[in-house]
Amino acid sequence: EPEVTQTPSHQVTQMGQEVILRCVPISNHLYFYWYRQILGQKVEFLVSFYNNEISEKSEIFDDQFSVERPDGSNFTLKIRSTKLEDSAMYFCASSGIVNYGYTFGSGTRLTVV
Amino acid sequence: AQTVTQSQPEMSVQEAETVTLSCTYDTSESDYYLFWYKQPPSRQMILVIRQEAYKQQNATENRFSVNFQKAAKSFSLKISDSQLGDAAMYFCAYRTGNSGNTPLVFGKGTRLSVIA
Repeated sequence: EPEVTQTPSHQVTQMGQEVILRCVPISNHLYFYWYRQILGQKVEFLVSFYNNEISEKSEIFDDQFSVERPDGSNFTLKIRSTKLEDSAMYFCASSGIVNYGYTFGSGTRLTVV
Repeated sequence: AQTVTQSQPEMSVQEAETVTLSCTYDTSESDYYLFWYKQPPSRQMILVIRQEAYKQQNATENRFSVNFQKAAKSFSLKISDSQLGDAAMYFCAYRTGNSGNTPLVFGKGTRLSVIA
């Protein structure tokens, strides 16, 4: 069964550093997403991406965040200057048909110290 | 804005018994989709079951079934013959159906424990 692949599985970074979280969506999917889950809390939408541009973003997705699909297969989330409160599990997801739930990756645990 | 409410932070069930997890949602849309996701300790998000709002028949996937009450905006998940591997966080989620990439809105989750 096709999978969404995320790397790394765990990243530790110093506050103020830039991080890039990587995702390889399912190859024939058209819509891509990033979600965040702070430990013990609910999953929150960050951004959706379609046709090489952002479709929708939440208020969490401020100027510190950016997304890119650099080569037609990878989908990245960049945090320019990490803060302690950015520590969370970050999930990439993709979907191909509107009425299906997304396929989520296994997540990247980001720890900002 | 759409909201999803899971009123049971924690539930427990004896192995082989049946448990029902509650979910209610608020929306003014008529076209939408509802989902239950399972998050085991590995923290991966796994789709358990989905329901299209236009379908009156409740969705079923093996031991998992839903009770979809559209007028009441209720979408509960029933797990039959519970197994130890069912222990996880369960998230109810909603998605508007009128666009190809509308975001999922999640509830806060219910932690399910299965007692051997």
